[in-house]
Amino acid sequence: EIFLAQSPGTLSLSPGERATLSCRASQRVPRDYLAWYQHRPGQAPRLLLYGVSNRATGIPDRFSGSGSGSGTDFTLTISKLEPEDFAVYYCQHYGDTPPVTFGPGTKVEIQ
Amino acid sequence: EDQLVESGGGVVQPGGSLRLSCVVSGFSFRRYWMYWVRQAPGKGLAWVSHVNSDGSSTTYADSVKGRFTISRDHARNTVYLQMHSLRGEDTAVYYCARGGEQGSMDVWGQGTTVTVSS
Repeated sequence: EIFLAQSPGTLSLSPGERATLSCRASQRVPRDYLAWYQHRPGQAPRLLLYGVSNRATGIPDRFSGSGSGSGTDFTLTISKLEPEDFAVYYCQHYGDTPPVTFGPGTKVEIQ
Repeated sequence: EDQLVESGGGVVQPGGSLRLSCVVSGFSFRRYWMYWVRQAPGKGLAWVSHVNSDGSSTTYADSVKGRFTISRDHARNTVYLQMHSLRGEDTAVYYCARGGEQGSMDVWGQGTTVTVSS
């Protein structure tokens, strides 16, 4: 079973700043089955990235994803925060047992 | 536009039952896996269940196994979540989502709220 840890729990930044969010898996994530979501209060979650670094349809290029060679460390970067980017971000893995795991989330708040 | 609309949430007593529905439009429903994901108050997202594209395979989180059943009706473009023996810890917003590339969920509904309380 793969567990996902996200850090930091809360990130306090100003619009225009760069945000770096981390997701660490307890073991190697096979086949790059790692996705990132944005969730604003009262709204549906929104897929940002799939397969570690592939932007979903309509996602602006200020959102980017990367992974380490170990297959356990993943990063979501927002190059310049826009007002609508202040939200909670989750990483998610699809695997075997359980098949779907979400990280606990990182809240990006306005400083 | 690809769209998912959930319904069926409400207030139910512990031990009670509810059936959630998710009607899809704008895409070929029968091609996609479908998921239910929930968010309890003050908590993060948690996977509940999913069903493969033809409905022949279903999978459940341990917390709901034996109590919840996922199913799909291609004639109605609808995926269901039948919930029995509801508990307080099942209180959450329930989201329906479409299966996307590499294990992701690429389209989500707005959610329906289930409250289990006496």
